[in-house]
Amino acid sequence: DTGVSQNPRHKITKRGQNVTFRCDPISEHNRLYWYRQTLGQGPEFLTYFQNEAQLEKSRLLSDRFSAERPKGSFSTLEIQRTEQGDSAMYLCASSALGVAYGYTFGSGTRLTVV
Amino acid sequence: GIQVEQSPPDLILQEGANSTLRCNFSDSVNNLQWFHQNPWGQLINLFYIPSGTKQNGRLSATTVATERYSLLYISSSQTTDSGVYFCAVAYGGSQGNLIFGKGTKLSVKP
Repeated sequence: DTGVSQNPRHKITKRGQNVTFRCDPISEHNRLYWYRQTLGQGPEFLTYFQNEAQLEKSRLLSDRFSAERPKGSFSTLEIQRTEQGDSAMYLCASSALGVAYGYTFGSGTRLTVV
Repeated sequence: GIQVEQSPPDLILQEGANSTLRCNFSDSVNNLQWFHQNPWGQLINLFYIPSGTKQNGRLSATTVATERYSLLYISSSQTTDSGVYFCAVAYGGSQGNLIFGKGTKLSVKP
């Protein structure tokens, strides 16, 4: 297993465009998390899935953000009508069932909105 | 919501020195993890430790849940230990929403 994989690594988009990121978790992990990190800050929770069910979503997440995890495998995070404030590192993590396990993070997708 | 405070915010060490990083939290937690973010941005899980003590090589961590703090010990520091150390907690009914502190930025000089 090669860990949590995120694609693309970098994305530059014009304001108003839609973008989609992909996360492939560790295969035996059934929990998947999305976080966002801006420069100098700790990661901020966006949403998480257990298998295909989206169990929790941040109140900070606007309606322009949506995430899916079809069939409980990979996940996608879509941002519609991007704004400059969406520029950040988007991180995906996965963990095994049960809270007694730490999270494994991917390398992230860096989004720049120009 | 819960507050997570880490100290010190910045730390500079000579290679070989020991250090203690602290994480205070304002409510009971059901999940506490320590992470290291290296200079290239990769977040590495160091410990899952909502209570008790764990050790992994030169690193160890202790969480005193009743007093709402956790400590991360780094012994015989190496330049590769440089980066930002984050404490993150989950509380209440949440199992997926980790709240991160602002981190301790560690620089180890050769």
